[in-house]
Amino acid sequence: LAKTTQPISMDSYEGQEVNITCSHNNIATNDYITWYQQFPSQGPRFIIQGYKTKVTNEVASLFIPADRKSSTLSLPRVSLSDTAVYYCLVGIYNQGGKLIFGQGTELSVKP
Amino acid sequence: GAGVSQSPSNKVTEKGKDVELRCDPISGHTALYWYRQSLGQGLEFLIYFQGNSAPDKSGLPSDRFSAERTGGSVSTLTIQRTQQEDSAVYLCASSLLAGGGYTFGSGTRLTVV
Repeated sequence: LAKTTQPISMDSYEGQEVNITCSHNNIATNDYITWYQQFPSQGPRFIIQGYKTKVTNEVASLFIPADRKSSTLSLPRVSLSDTAVYYCLVGIYNQGGKLIFGQGTELSVKP
Repeated sequence: GAGVSQSPSNKVTEKGKDVELRCDPISGHTALYWYRQSLGQGLEFLIYFQGNSAPDKSGLPSDRFSAERTGGSVSTLTIQRTQQEDSAVYLCASSLLAGGGYTFGSGTRLTVV
């Protein structure tokens, strides 16, 4: 299973765009990249998933370069409610593979 | 149901007692996962079910931990002779094999005193 590396913490201010980059140098051909968000006292919540290039949904965008050795989660115009831990995961999802969570990035959004 | 339901939401037990934690996955989700999260830590994988079978039990920390799933639906995680280091939030997730994201429950906060 591919190991991921992401910053332990990040600070931002309301209204700013936040980009969290994750490194996954040994990603396998069949692996997808998925990001989860976790608020205190709650289970992680799926944000976005991609395989290559760019994926966008109503919450975030995910940028994946051609070599797929890293990915960047982009949160546009963050608010205080975006304060959470963000996890980057790499794995095979269409085969029911287990997810391996790293330590995540603790994002703190300030007024 | 609409989401993954876990019960109880909180459990305080005395050291040495057995506890059972329950997970009700989303209807139709064939895959079910148990994770553990200690205070301020990331998620630790425990066990994975596909239907009623458990192809991957590699994360169970000791033989005091066991889990079962019946009818391809509800799962129970049992911890025997609880120890203080078992204190954590136990999270359950379910998914469709077709892919997409896993849906997590809100967890059971276990405190062993």
